[in-house]
Order: sequence, then C-alpha cells, then structure tokens
Amino acid sequence: QSALTQPASVSGSPGQSITISCTGTSSDVGGYNYVSWYQQHPGKAPKLIIFDVDRWPSGVSSRFSGSKSGDTASLTISGLQTEDEADYYCCSYAGSSTLAVFGTGTKVTVL
Amino acid sequence: QVQLVQSGAEVRKPGASVKLSCKASGYNFANSFIHWVRQAPGQGLEWMGIIDPSGGGTKYAQVLQGRLTLTRDTSSSTVYMDLSGLRYDDTAVYFCARALFMTNLKLDYWGQGTLVTVSS
Repeated sequence: QSALTQPASVSGSPGQSITISCTGTSSDVGGYNYVSWYQQHPGKAPKLIIFDVDRWPSGVSSRFSGSKSGDTASLTISGLQTEDEADYYCCSYAGSSTLAVFGTGTKVTVL
Repeated sequence: QVQLVQSGAEVRKPGASVKLSCKASGYNFANSFIHWVRQAPGQGLEWMGIIDPSGGGTKYAQVLQGRLTLTRDTSSSTVYMDLSGLRYDDTAVYFCARALFMTNLKLDYWGQGTLVTVSS
C-alpha cells in the first residue's frame, strides 16, 4: 500500500487561507468516507483535527475544514495563525486487509 | 481523563527484538482499539497495526507481517508492541493511539511516543 500523496510544503501569510491536498486511489480515499487529518508540532505527538472527511473533534477550531472529491481529500486552514505552523498528515481507511494508510505529510509555514 | 502512557526509550542491535508498552487509563479499555504508528527521524507517519483489546484480534501492515506482534493485558489495560528482526531503518519514534471504532481512523488520543534506536 503506497502512502497518500501530499504536497511537501504550503505557506501563507497570517489571516490567509491555505489548502492541503491528499491524493489516493479508489481503494482508499476514493472508496470510503474515512479520511482523518492530524497536526504535528516538532517533537510532539500528532493531534487529530478532522475525521470522517469533514467532522471536527471536540475542541478543535472551525478554522480547520475538510472535504473530498473523488480520490483527493483536502484540508483548508482559514485565518492562518502563527500557531498553525506545523506538519499535517492525512490518513485514510484502505479496506479490511490493509486498514490504514497515511499521507506523505505537508509542512505548513506561516510567513 | 483519557491517557496513554508509553514505556521508555530503547536501544537494540540489528536482529534483536524490542517490546514496548502502552498503558491506557481514563476510559473503558475494552470498548476501543489501539493503533501503533511510527515515525522515522525527519520522516512521515507510518501505520503499523491495530489491536482490539476486548478480543485480542489484530491487523498488521503488510510490510511488517511476520515481524510485528501486538498483544494486550486487560487486567492492566496495557497493550504491547513486539517488533523482531530489527533493522537500522526501524529506528523511529513509536506511538500508540486510541480509536473508538476500527474503520474511521479517528485516533483521538495518542501516547507520548517511544524512541527506538537500532545501532550496532
């Protein structure tokens, strides 16, 4: 099972919106509405920010939003803030044998 | 509050095995799943496997089949990850994470991570 494809880096200025893509196949992203997104600051454990494509866990800012079209899922961060500077990973269910696959990760830089 | 507390850092030689623990508290251990995810230095996240603490059922990433074993002790709410035949590229931080359902990959609580270094 190959990793889902994400851009290596995305940047934006404070207050702007950015979008991170996560491209898979019909066997993972395109086949199920089970895409989650994680934020990871250096030296820390990942933090869940989106699950089931577009749902927020309790306590996560609504500035983070998720969507999916075909084999590509997307994470949009609105009103970019300095604390949003981190690595972001998508993750998709990939069927009962493989179960899960992560994306390659995207480094978000706030200019 | 929900907590996953992992065991401390380990150093092993190539070919050896390592067994890490992940102790859960603050929720019903049996009504959840525990995933293991690893991250090599400077690299991305890699899904390793999942265990159902109630029945002990497991699924493993194909690339780790035959080397990875997940077990649990329900009396202490602890999950164990045993990786054998260690190679240099197994050097990574290993995380455990909780999910309430198997399929939606909503990994809502994570352990602090355990560094495993494979070195001769």
